[in-house]
Amino acid sequence: DIVMTQSPDSLAVSLGERATINCKSSQSVLYSSNNKNYLAWYQQKPGQPPKLLIYWASTRESGVPDRFSGSGSGTDFTLTISSLQAEDVAVYYCHQHYSSYTFGQGTKLEIK
Amino acid sequence: QLQLQESGPGLVKSSETLSLTCTVSGGSISSSSYSWGWIRQTPGKGLEWIGSLSSGGSTYYNPSLTSRVTISVDTSKNQFSLNLSSVTAADMAVYYCARHGVRLPGTLNYFDSWGQGALVTVSS
Repeated sequence: DIVMTQSPDSLAVSLGERATINCKSSQSVLYSSNNKNYLAWYQQKPGQPPKLLIYWASTRESGVPDRFSGSGSGTDFTLTISSLQAEDVAVYYCHQHYSSYTFGQGTKLEIK
Repeated sequence: QLQLQESGPGLVKSSETLSLTCTVSGGSISSSSYSWGWIRQTPGKGLEWIGSLSSGGSTYYNPSLTSRVTISVDTSKNQFSLNLSSVTAADMAVYYCARHGVRLPGTLNYFDSWGQGALVTVSS
């Protein structure tokens, strides 16, 4: 299995400030034939299912605010929230679908 | 708008079979573009993929669960189902059904729509 490791496990950021979450895969998730990174990011709020934010490492899902962005390739990826809003408090997960389907352990984002 | 809803017993006895159904509305489960999956979530192990059913009818299972898992489809009811046999306390979790995005080479793709989840408790 590809192991997904997120850092940090938890993060406290002031409103309006930037939040950065990292995700590292134990092997590359770049699919060479189409040059797509098979890496997605989800947001999960208490009592709710995960919500897709970013797919193919950097493509924002329809309806997701543009303060959310994804970057990276191969084995190292980042989710950035450019200006934290109160409604962004949640747990964030990275997910690879290159080989089977595995998820990171989650990063809990709180307001400082 | 696509909606998925899990249903089934919230309490299962140890060693018995967990059975859940996912009802899809706002879209056809027979669509050739999409595949359907089950994922579970526990405080200890986080999110764990259980298995998926492709639009062509093929099934794919997590190797750690494959001996106990069966996923099937009922296109007449626009539903797909999960059976997990010989459950133990380790199978207590919130179970989600979800849709994969449009299939790509080498992958059924990420999960773009999720049900609200069903909590399953295992009793001894």
